[in-house]
Amino acid sequence: SELTQDPAVSVALGQTVRITCQGDSLRTFYASWYQQKSGQAPVLVIYGEDQRPSGIPDRFSGSSSGNTASLTITGVRAEDEADYYCNSRDSGVNHYVFGGGTKVTVL
Amino acid sequence: EVQLVESGGGLVQPGGSLRLSCAASGFTVSNNYMTWVRQAPGKGLQWVSVIYGDGSTTYYADSVKGRFTISRDNSNNTLYLHMNSLRVEDTAVYYCARGHWGRGWYWFDPWGQGTLVTVSS
Repeated sequence: SELTQDPAVSVALGQTVRITCQGDSLRTFYASWYQQKSGQAPVLVIYGEDQRPSGIPDRFSGSSSGNTASLTITGVRAEDEADYYCNSRDSGVNHYVFGGGTKVTVL
Repeated sequence: EVQLVESGGGLVQPGGSLRLSCAASGFTVSNNYMTWVRQAPGKGLQWVSVIYGDGSTTYYADSVKGRFTISRDNSNNTLYLHMNSLRVEDTAVYYCARGHWGRGWYWFDPWGQGTLVTVSS
């Protein structure tokens, strides 16, 4: 099973960006989303039904419909420039799968 | 504070072996499921392996199955990844992460800082 993300997206400072993730496994399992800044380890930003870990700003939100999960950043800030990866459990097997990642550039 | 610290990476020749360690603090690995994820240079994240709370239930990505073994030492609160028959394409930063699940949700948090494995002659 695969998860598909757009490779890159650009957004103006203060605007809203939506990053999508498509895959058959998302019909069964919710996606989790990870932010990875250059040279750093990934950090969880969204899991389950739009849950944010402690310390993650509320400008990050998640949603899901059918085979598509979305991560939305509202009021983008310069520090949100990073790679974002979706992940879910793979349906039918006890594996996990990551999307290819979306590079968010803040203009 | 919940923290994971990997170690054991380095340069190894093709066909060689390496053992990665992931020392946990702030929680007990034996009560959690733990995972390894890798990232080749300039590439995306790739799931590698998982070990569940019972310690005996393990799964592997097809690309490493039969060559890698995930294990843990409860007394040292440490997760391991034993890597044999290493290939050039195994070159990557290897991350360990704590797994969570509930209500049909699955997620990884926190992650360690990663350890670099380079397979080259």
